[in-house]
This record gives sequence, structure tokens and C-alpha cells, in this order.
Amino acid sequence: QQQVKQSPQSLIVQKGGISIINCAYENTAFDYFPWYQQFPGKGPALLIAIRPDVSEKKEGRFTISFNKSAKQFSLHIMDSQPGDSATYFCASYTSGTYKYIFGTGTRLKVLA
Amino acid sequence: SAVISQKPSRDICQRGTSLTIQCQVDSQVTMMFWYRQQPGQSLTLIATANQGSEATYESGFVIDKFPISRPNLTFSTLTVSNMSPEDSSIYLCSVDMGTGLAFFGQGTRLTVV
Repeated sequence: QQQVKQSPQSLIVQKGGISIINCAYENTAFDYFPWYQQFPGKGPALLIAIRPDVSEKKEGRFTISFNKSAKQFSLHIMDSQPGDSATYFCASYTSGTYKYIFGTGTRLKVLA
Repeated sequence: SAVISQKPSRDICQRGTSLTIQCQVDSQVTMMFWYRQQPGQSLTLIATANQGSEATYESGFVIDKFPISRPNLTFSTLTVSNMSPEDSSIYLCSVDMGTGLAFFGQGTRLTVV
């Protein structure tokens, strides 16, 4: 089954805290795993992405951790800020198909 | 990356009418996609718009309801036909630059009354 399970559905974090969003996939043919950030009234914006041959990728305050054997990956937002309040989607992609399977989304709220 | 412009950004339409959404990209791209995002929900692929050929529709979406045009490598339109309140949603245009990363327009928020 081509499915990506994302959790939690919503998350509230204090300013300066760490936000952690998890995704699990089933199809081992997926070979690229991007994360998207979406603000209300806007389209999703690419945040960070990782390939399965890498266990971790960091860009600024955003880190993807990837566990190939468990077929899980997660987004960590360090030093979370109120401006990070948005909905986050994980996705899985198979090269050659141009198809993306999106997770169900996590609504993050960072309290000032 | 790519800059993707969608028009209109929002519209309120009467049931039974049709709305055409335009998507313009600032560079030539092979693959363009149309997604639907219902309020508070994830993204669902409607179809892949191929230049020079018929669009490829996903299960549950048909050409009569969502006709798509792709006249060149920088432009596409999606029409939502014979609209009902169930069509109220955000419609998103997306491109793949061949990198495995999708880029999205700002979306068209459609309300059908």
C-alpha cells in the first residue's frame, strides 16, 4: 500500500522548545522524502528533504532524521519560534513516477 | 526552484457553473500537476498535465469534471465544471523540476454556493 502515516495531528510547543513530527511509510520504492510547510492561505513550501542513504540532514533549525530499517522519518524543529506556527506535511516520492504521497499533516502552534 | 503564479487566488461561484484556474511557471517544466486540498486536509493529486498529450487522471477524478489544458511548457489550466458545494476546496498547481522536489503555487481557494 502506498501510504504515509503522519503524527501527531496537532502539536503545541513553547517558544524555544523542540517540535518533533513523525512519519512512517510502507513502500520501500520511495527514494526521496521532503517536508513541506504551509501557512494559512498559502501553498506548501519545500522546507527540507532527505534521501534514504542518509540518516540525518540539517538545515538551520530544521533536521530530518531517517531510519530506513524502521521505515520512519521525522522532522525536528529546534528553538521553535511563533513564526514556525504552520501546518507541516511529510511526503514520499518515487523517482520516475513523479508521484508524491503526502502525509495527513501536523498543525504546529508555537506559543510566545 | 520555480516561481508559480496561480489565478485567481480565490473565488466564490454559483453551483452549476464552471471555473478555470490558470497556472503560469517562470521556466519550462515537463511535469505539471494539479492537486486538491480540502479544508484542514492533506493534498490529493487530481491529474498530471503533460504538454502535447492528454492529462493523466488519478482514480476518482475524470476529465469531464476537471478538464485540463497544457498548451506549452510554462502554462496549464484546470477547469472545475458543473460545480457543487462539494467542490469547495483549495486547488494547487505544482511542478517537478526533475529533482524529485515539488514546488507549489499559492493555491486557488474556491467556494461554491
